[in-house]
Amino acid sequence: GENVEQHPSTLSVQEGDSAVIKCTYSDSASNYFPWYKQELGKGPQLIIDIRSNVGEKKDQRIAVTLNKTAKHFSLHITETQPEDSAVYFCAARGPAGTALIFGKGTTLSVSS
Amino acid sequence: EPEVTQTPSHQVTQMGQEVILRCVPISNHLYFYWYRQILGQKVEFLVSFYNNEISEKSEIFDDQFSVERPDGSNFTLKIRSTKLEDSAMYFCASTSVGRETQYFGPGTRLLVL
Repeated sequence: GENVEQHPSTLSVQEGDSAVIKCTYSDSASNYFPWYKQELGKGPQLIIDIRSNVGEKKDQRIAVTLNKTAKHFSLHITETQPEDSAVYFCAARGPAGTALIFGKGTTLSVSS
Repeated sequence: EPEVTQTPSHQVTQMGQEVILRCVPISNHLYFYWYRQILGQKVEFLVSFYNNEISEKSEIFDDQFSVERPDGSNFTLKIRSTKLEDSAMYFCASTSVGRETQYFGPGTRLLVL
């Protein structure tokens, strides 16, 4: 089955810096890759997603890139703010099902 | 904005007891999911449900688990004879037909003593 690896597990940046979180997946047939932000005590909230027919997607300060050949995708956050501090999860979904397979998460800390 | 709701927010139970976790998915959604997150670990898929039947389940979803849509709004996860290792945050999610985004509820924190 699908396996998703996520790095780093923790990331600390200064306000205004960029943050990059990387994920790799094992199933080349996976075709949907969402990123979720989880704040303390809350459920995961979708922040951006990308499908396998697209190489890059951007939404204001957040962007995601996908390299299907290498089977990895990355989340880029520019001009980080303290409110970006949270746990970020990447996930992948295969073509046959609807289950999301999650990475282990990255705890992002943005200090002012 | 519509959102997935879950009750209770916290549940403490004794090992061997049955628990029912409740979810109200977004009203026009037809795909429903349960995930769990053991403290400090990744979110893990348990089961998906569509058209009143299970469409996919993981190895975690064994015979002690069951799901039901008892009426037009609720979606429940039942854990029979809970074990210590069932302690986790349980998330419900839902998706509308033809869309991929899964919307998650705030979760139920289950503690089995």
